[in-house]
Order: sequence, then C-alpha cells, then structure tokens
Amino acid sequence: GENVEQHPSTLSVQEGDSAVIKCTYSDSASNYFPWYKQELGKRPQLIIDIRSNVGEKKDQRIAVTLNKTAKHFSLHITETQPEDSAVYFCAAIGGNKLVFGAGTILRVKS
Amino acid sequence: DTAVSQTPKYLVTQMGNDKSIKCEQNLGHDTMYWYKQDSKKFLKIMFSYNNKELIINETVPNRFSPKSPDKAHLNLHINSLELGDSAVYFCASSIGGMSNSPLHFGNGTRLTVT
Repeated sequence: GENVEQHPSTLSVQEGDSAVIKCTYSDSASNYFPWYKQELGKRPQLIIDIRSNVGEKKDQRIAVTLNKTAKHFSLHITETQPEDSAVYFCAAIGGNKLVFGAGTILRVKS
Repeated sequence: DTAVSQTPKYLVTQMGNDKSIKCEQNLGHDTMYWYKQDSKKFLKIMFSYNNKELIINETVPNRFSPKSPDKAHLNLHINSLELGDSAVYFCASSIGGMSNSPLHFGNGTRLTVT
C-alpha cells in the first residue's frame, strides 16, 4: 500500500522567512496530492492540492511542487506570518485511500 | 452554518462502556469517512461509506461499528471502550471518492477513556 513520509517533523522560522515541507510517496499510481493545515484544537483544512498532470500550483503565498519521477512533492510558504503556525499534513492517494504523512509542526516566530 | 457537524465535541467515559459519535453533513456529498487522530497527531482512516455503502474498512477492531442511515449521516458506535481508544475522532465527507476530491472535516470528538 501507499506510504507517505513527511519531513521535517518540526520547523521553526522567523516571521517573513520561507518554509518548505517535503513529502515522498511510494505508489507510482498516486495522482492526487492535497495539503491540510490543522491549527491547535481545530479540524484539518485543505489549503492546496495538486494533481499528477501538473508540476506546480500556486495560491498567493502558498505553492506546491510535484516531481512524479522522484515521487516527491513539497509545500512552500513564503513571507510566513504568525498565523501560519500550525500542523501541516501532506497526503497521497494509495488505492482508494488517502494516506497522510505524519505531519509537520510549523512555528513562526515574530 | 457548519458543513460537517459531529457530536459530542468531548466524550469522557470509563473502560468497558459503549458510546456513540454522530456525524452529519449538509454539503450533499456522496462519501463520508471516520478518521482517528492519536496523541502524536497521526491521522488514520478507519471507515469510508459511499452513498450508505461501506467501501473502506481498515484494520479496526470489531468493537467499532459504523452506521450510515443515509448519505448525509455516518455514526460511529464503539463497544467495550479501552484506554487505547482515547483519541480525537474526525468525521469527513467528500463530493466523490478519495481519488479526486478534497476532504471536509468536522470539528472532531475528543474521546477520553479512563
């Protein structure tokens, strides 16, 4: 089945800096890669997703890149703000299941 | 106007008890899910229903039994609760199967078994 690995497990950045979170997946048939943000005590919410026919997608300060050959995808957050502090999860489809990475705790220091 | 609502928000109970968590979505989605988030924040799927039909049943103990009376509702009943069942349980829905659409999560039910 699908295995998704996510790095780093924690990430501290200074406000205004960029943050990058990386994920690798094992199932070469995976074709959908969403990213979720979970603030403390709240539900996970989709922030961006990418499908396998696209190499990059951007939404304001957030971008995701996908390298199907290497089977990895990354989340890039530019000009980080304190409200970006949260746990971020990557995910990939394995068979008919969405498999999540273990999460990255992002702390943005002001 | 919550799209995916689950009750209760908190549930504290003793080992051996039976409890239920209810979930309803008003998004018109066809597929609903139960996820378990453990103390290390790991999100793992438990069950998935598409239009009332069970399509995913992960290696979850038989003590957990989902029920979907219609496509807008997916409830979770847990028998003989154990300490290890303590976690946050999230209900979610999507417009289609997982392969092509985002998940919309409920606010979670924090279950504490003492």
